Amino acid sequence: GAVVSQHPSWVICKSGTSVKIECRSLDFQATTMFWYRQFPKQSLMLMATSNEGSKATYEQGVEKDKFLINHASLTLSTLTVTSAHPEDSSFYICSASAGGGFRNQPQHFGDGTRLSIL
Amino acid sequence: AQTVTQSQPEMSVQEAETVTLSCTYDTSESDYYLFWYKQPPSRQMILVIRQEAYKQQNATENRFSVNFQKAAKSFSLKISDSQLGDAAMYFCAIGNEKLTFGTGTRLTIIP
Repeated sequence: GAVVSQHPSWVICKSGTSVKIECRSLDFQATTMFWYRQFPKQSLMLMATSNEGSKATYEQGVEKDKFLINHASLTLSTLTVTSAHPEDSSFYICSASAGGGFRNQPQHFGDGTRLSIL
Repeated sequence: AQTVTQSQPEMSVQEAETVTLSCTYDTSESDYYLFWYKQPPSRQMILVIRQEAYKQQNATENRFSVNFQKAAKSFSLKISDSQLGDAAMYFCAIGNEKLTFGTGTRLTIIP
């Protein structure tokens, strides 16, 4: 089946630093990638949708200057948490789709990244 | 806007028995899909089963089946012959391009 790789799986860093998380589709071209955030014992909340070659669309309440998303190629999207603070600590999950809605292509999830800000 | 409600935060079932997880939803979309995902302690999201809203026939996948009641906006998951490996968080989700998730049900399997 389709594979989505997310890296790193766990990162710990000091408050004020920026952290980049990569999401790669290994065996298909992902025209659309999604970034989710999951707090402990809670559901996944969609942060933004990115389409290859265009600006990401952020959900209401998500700071676009805080969470920078780049989808420069059909196999790679990155999420950069800028000037991270302890409240940004969370589990971040990406998913990738070849596009066209679920009628044509399902979403495939990465394994997630646990971000801990000290 | 779409909303998904899972009213059972936790469920438990005896190994080899059957359990049903509930999910209700609301959406203004006419074309959408419904999903059940499993999230084990590893945190990976694993697709269990999916249902197209335009299909009346309930989806089945081995021991997993759904009861889709479109008029009632209900989408429950039945797990038959429960196994220890079924223990996980189960999330109901709906969408077409973007997914909206419920709050999850933690399923425990009692040996």
